[in-house]
Amino acid sequence: KNEVEQSPQNLTAQEGEFITINCSYSVGISALHWLQQHPGGGIVSLFMLSSGKKKHGRLIATINIQEKHSSLHITASHPRDSAVYICAVAGNQFYFGTGTSLTVIP
Amino acid sequence: DTAVSQTPKYLVTQMGNDKSIKCEQNLGHDTMYWYKQDSKKFLKIMFSYNNKELIINETVPNRFSPKSPDKAHLNLHINSLELGDSAVYFCASSQILQGEGEQFFGPGTRLTVL
Repeated sequence: KNEVEQSPQNLTAQEGEFITINCSYSVGISALHWLQQHPGGGIVSLFMLSSGKKKHGRLIATINIQEKHSSLHITASHPRDSAVYICAVAGNQFYFGTGTSLTVIP
Repeated sequence: DTAVSQTPKYLVTQMGNDKSIKCEQNLGHDTMYWYKQDSKKFLKIMFSYNNKELIINETVPNRFSPKSPDKAHLNLHINSLELGDSAVYFCASSQILQGEGEQFFGPGTRLTVL
């Protein structure tokens, strides 16, 4: 069993829809990261958080430390949001989720 | 101005060869990492260096040896390449040790072992 579980694995949405990707983890952590991997392969850090909520533009990330759960929300989704979203947690080691592949259809 | 750069971008080689991948960051960060992404797109940390000192060495075969000549560079040497080493290798850096700092990733090096 992975230390980090993401759901869903694959997600297809219509442009404009509100999207939620979930991440649950089973280890003690100091921080949780949300990463975006573009179809071309490049990886970009979206958020790093250890409590509460962060917002960048149309992206919102939340974390509940007690429940060991984080969510990534995308409001007013756009085809350019199509990518793989990866949750990673930093504790004694680094653990990665298997990613959520998002496709936004125009 | 590229923050984290890797060379080469693509590397195709025969089994048994020795190869190196170079990584450089111009962000002034103290911590650098190597990650491996396998064919199923699963990312796994390999090494973490802080100020030229090895901090994390996950269960990586000793054919893989990171070398940090200074804190802006973390090169990855691989000896006696095997088919299973085929993957995309990402270098990254962060200002703070371990996972408590935002990570900046290089573009990746796609290694194919024939």
